[in-house]
Amino acid sequence: AAGVIQSPRHLIKEKRETATLKCYPIPRHDTVYWYQQGPGQDPQFLISFYEKMQSDKGSIPDRFSAQQFSDYHSELNMSSLELGDSALYFCASSLSDRGGETQYFGPGTRLLVL
Amino acid sequence: AQTVTQSQPEMSVQEAETVTLSCTYDTSESDYYLFWYKQPPSRQMILVIRQEAYKQQNATENRFSVNFQKAAKSFSLKISDSQLGDAAMYFCAYRSAYGRQRNRDDKIIFGKGTRLHILP
Repeated sequence: AAGVIQSPRHLIKEKRETATLKCYPIPRHDTVYWYQQGPGQDPQFLISFYEKMQSDKGSIPDRFSAQQFSDYHSELNMSSLELGDSALYFCASSLSDRGGETQYFGPGTRLLVL
Repeated sequence: AQTVTQSQPEMSVQEAETVTLSCTYDTSESDYYLFWYKQPPSRQMILVIRQEAYKQQNATENRFSVNFQKAAKSFSLKISDSQLGDAAMYFCAYRSAYGRQRNRDDKIIFGKGTRLHILP
C-alpha cells in the first residue's frame, strides 16, 4: 500500500538559510499534518491543512510557513534557520471520514542546521 | 488542554516475556481516540494500536493489546511474547474525536515516550 512520502529525507543547511520540505500524502487523503521532533523529544504539532486550507496551528515559528496544493501535497518552508531548528520533521496524512482519526506518518525529513 | 503522561522513561523485558507500558491522560472531552505509536531506531513512526473512547472493548492487534480504563483515564499497552524487533520508543497519544466537525483541533498529542529494551 502507498504510504506518505517525504522529501528530502536528509537536509543540511547553514544558519540563516532557507529550507523547503515536501510531503506527498497517501492517495485520496485530504488532510496533512506537520510535526517537529527534536532530539530525545516527543513530536510536536506544527500545522495542518484540510482541503488546501489551514485547519489548525500549533507551535510553529513565524519563520515557518506551509501550504497544501491542489494535488494535496504540502510544503513546509523554513526561513532564517536557527541551530534549534535541527530536528526530524514528520508529515502525516489522514482521510476525513468521521474525523479521520488515524494519521499515517511519513518517514520524516532529518534537518541539520550548522 | 489535553495532556498525555508516560511515567516510565525506560523499561526492559526478557525476550518472550510480557511487558506492560503505562499511560495516563487528561481531557474534559467525552469522545476521543487513543493510540500507541512505535518509533524504532530508524525513527519511523509506526501505528501499533488504536482505541476509540466510545468502545468499551479493549483493542487488540496480534501480540499487542490495551487496557483502556476510561474513568481512570488510563491506557496501558501490553506486549506479549516480546521479540527483539519490539525494541523501540513507544509513544502514547491522544486525539480529539471532534476535530474539524465542531471547529476543534485534530492534532495528535504525544506523551514523552517509553524506551523499551528487549533482553535476549
